[in-house]
Amino acid sequence: EVQLVGSGGGLVQPGRSLRLSCAASGFTFSRYWMSWVRQAPGKGLEWVANIKEDGSDYYYVDSVKGRFTISRDNAQNSLYLHMNSLRAEDTAVYYCARTVTTIIGDYMDVWGRGTTVTVSS
Amino acid sequence: SYVLTQPPSVSVAPGETAEITCGGDDMGTKSVHWYQQKPGQAPVLVIYKDSDRPSGIPERFSGSNSGNTATLTISGVDIGDEADYYCQVWDSSSDHLFVFGTGTKVTAL
Repeated sequence: EVQLVGSGGGLVQPGRSLRLSCAASGFTFSRYWMSWVRQAPGKGLEWVANIKEDGSDYYYVDSVKGRFTISRDNAQNSLYLHMNSLRAEDTAVYYCARTVTTIIGDYMDVWGRGTTVTVSS
Repeated sequence: SYVLTQPPSVSVAPGETAEITCGGDDMGTKSVHWYQQKPGQAPVLVIYKDSDRPSGIPERFSGSNSGNTATLTISGVDIGDEADYYCQVWDSSSDHLFVFGTGTKVTAL
């Protein structure tokens, strides 16, 4: 069974750091781009970052550039999101998602169980 | 950045057909994907590349895309289809490479 399981969320003070993890199973992890998508309470979906199959390329939404770092360990079938200088507006459920790349546009075909990040003093 | 507009809500009687629209400039030139999200759960892909269905998604779910509007159609809606639905496109010129629509809550009256 293809599965993604996110973890690492919690309550953190503004300005502090947190690392999210996503464990993949049931598919060849190293053959896929991977993404993080977040959802603020009561709001819609927002793409945060994605990373190439071998980790050599990655992209971020402007609001997290310089603060968040996406990475992966293909030997461990794991995806990570290192979040620094956290702000209240980063409060959200964070989902990892397997990403399918096509010539005409990419999409997420498998989503993990979300992990909740709350930034508050 | 690119904007996708969806109606906030759609209500339909069980057994009837629900149509959820997703509007954006030149939508017909883009590949549109749709996700279903039930309360407290992760999104699930229900339509990709405008009209393709992943395995395990009922045939009741279909999609189309033309002009400035993409449409997700749910035929014979049942109570289990109640959820939020989001459209999504990929836009390399946007800050958000993956652009999601505003979301539509489908209610079976």
